[in-house]
Amino acid sequence: DQQVKQNSPSLSVQEGRISILNCDYTNSMFDYFLWYKKYPAEGPTFLISISSIKDKNEDGRFTVFLNKSAKHLSLHIVPSQPGDSAVYFCAASVTGTASKLTFGTGTRLQVTL
Amino acid sequence: EPEVTQTPSHQVTQMGQEVILRCVPISNHLYFYWYRQILGQKVEFLVSFYNNEISEKSEIFDDQFSVERPDGSNFTLKIRSTKLEDSAMYFCASSSGTDTQYFGPGTRLTVL
Repeated sequence: DQQVKQNSPSLSVQEGRISILNCDYTNSMFDYFLWYKKYPAEGPTFLISISSIKDKNEDGRFTVFLNKSAKHLSLHIVPSQPGDSAVYFCAASVTGTASKLTFGTGTRLQVTL
Repeated sequence: EPEVTQTPSHQVTQMGQEVILRCVPISNHLYFYWYRQILGQKVEFLVSFYNNEISEKSEIFDDQFSVERPDGSNFTLKIRSTKLEDSAMYFCASSSGTDTQYFGPGTRLTVL
């Protein structure tokens, strides 16, 4: 049941460059999307979210783009920093009270010097 | 900054034993969740909890699992008779009613 997919298990980017992490979903009922960052042996840390009524949301170095027709979202990190090296999870939900999150498999980002 | 806390950080138990994983959600949050991540796999939803009752549960959350909010601050996950396949990281999360959930650091459960 892969309703949320992150097809790139890993990504390596040079410090200062743009990191682009991609996520696809199949369930058209999803209308709220989130990106979480996770370090080993820690819990997911919320980064940024977007509602389906928007196509872009920006917070500092992080921007999330949503293409509803393609059922695709992406996270852009500009500029990338070594501290951004972590696993990034895309998650989706159907808006409502106590809505569960459906996670992708994650993309490991390595930012090199 | 308020955060979700979980105890213990690591629990080792024998197969068939009961375990209780504890969580203290963010204080003004009303919605509580448990997720788990088996090593190398994705984070999976187990259960959501609101107003002292389960809102939704996944197929994983069978009769061996239960949740409770025994007081105004703690939220617990009990596994009655642990199996080897219950070994995983268990994450508690909470939200205020918006759809953004905030996660705790997790409890690593090892079933021998």
